[in-house]
Amino acid sequence: DQQVKQNSPSLSVQEGRISILNCDYTNSMFDYFLWYKKYPAEGPTFLISISSIKDKNEDGRFTVFLNKSAKHLSLHIVPSQPGDSAVYFCAASANTGGFKTIFGAGTRLFVKA
Amino acid sequence: DADVTQTPRNRITKTGKRIMLECSQTKGHDRMYWYRQDPGLGLRLIYYSFDVKDINKGEISDGYSVSRQAQAKFSLSLESAIPNQTALYFCATSDRFYEQYFGPGTRLTVT
Repeated sequence: DQQVKQNSPSLSVQEGRISILNCDYTNSMFDYFLWYKKYPAEGPTFLISISSIKDKNEDGRFTVFLNKSAKHLSLHIVPSQPGDSAVYFCAASANTGGFKTIFGAGTRLFVKA
Repeated sequence: DADVTQTPRNRITKTGKRIMLECSQTKGHDRMYWYRQDPGLGLRLIYYSFDVKDINKGEISDGYSVSRQAQAKFSLSLESAIPNQTALYFCATSDRFYEQYFGPGTRLTVT
């Protein structure tokens, strides 16, 4: 039972264009959502997050959108750069009923120069 | 120096052997975590610890045990390794509840 799903295993985008990575979740108890970025041979690094009381959070080229009614969030990268090529993990956290953070399977982004 | 370090970085072991993976952090965080990553499954939580006296099971704790030796050290043990424990293992820390800082990972192969 995958509570956090990233349905696209990979995504290829041209440099300078927008990258949109999607994530769906099933548990309404999740109240905080995060995106992590992972390069080969390194651990994941935190990228950006959003609380369930917001629908958008922006940090430079990265914007996360949350649609609670659809249980869907997305990460937009504009403009995409070759250095953005990495695996992106979506994670959802809940602060009730004990600690819970569930990660999606990841989406591998390729940004072509 | 890295804030979160893991040793060893790579390990090959045989079925039935006991193995320990170690994690150290210099971030001063109270909370530490162990995850495993398998292809197509993302990261799954094995154990977590909110302070030295607090140890909790995650979603896939069977076959694993942990020890929190100090605020800065959190070890993961496989008492009797089996091939389906072949995976990439990550240690992570946090001070707040949500954002976690990961080590570089340990690639474990059980033959």
